[in-house]
Amino acid sequence: GAGVSQSPRYKVAKRGQDVALRCDPISGHVSLFWYQQALGQGPEFLTYFQNEAQLDKSGLPSDRFFAERPEGSVSTLKIQRTQQEDSAVYLCASSLARDRILTGELFFGEGSRLTVL
Amino acid sequence: DAKTTQPPSMDCAEGRAANLPCNHSTISGNEYVYWYRQIHSQGPQYIIHGLKNNETNEMASLIITEDRKSSTLILPHATLRDTAVYYCIVRPLFSSYKLIFGSGTRLLVRP
Repeated sequence: GAGVSQSPRYKVAKRGQDVALRCDPISGHVSLFWYQQALGQGPEFLTYFQNEAQLDKSGLPSDRFFAERPEGSVSTLKIQRTQQEDSAVYLCASSLARDRILTGELFFGEGSRLTVL
Repeated sequence: DAKTTQPPSMDCAEGRAANLPCNHSTISGNEYVYWYRQIHSQGPQYIIHGLKNNETNEMASLIITEDRKSSTLILPHATLRDTAVYYCIVRPLFSSYKLIFGSGTRLLVRP
């Protein structure tokens, strides 16, 4: 597709359930990012992939959060045993950038809105 | 933590210029200034970036002070569709690629 695609757009989970959020980056984009955005706040970095390698996961809030990108394209963010504080919009972004080469633009998807009851 | 300071909200009249300020007094020599915006229910959208020279593209102009401690994003003829949250971000040149977002400026364009 033309842009970054995320699914599902909306997810309602009961507390304690596991959820999986999918990101299809722009074809050929090397770098992929996940962000978490709480209501009324700016996006907060979760993790970064360069191809299939997860180079930075410093933003993952707990070991209940896990991300993978096994073939260097599609990525999945998994949240185990969801809690109410996990309710947020989860944004995925991709770019052509490689480490140590600066380009300006990250392309964001529209996000997956997770509500944990 | 975000290294920029922006006013929480601003407004301007449709058709007029919108000037959005940003302070980044601790910016390092190898850090660029980036601007993104986020329209309601959408992901952030890249607008422009610069190092020390003023930059212009089809969306906006970026004016960076000579000491690089502040910058202004200019939307020359704001439209209702420019209503959004605007984020000013500084980002190292040779470092991880993550963008660190602050709270941004909520711009309301009035009819």
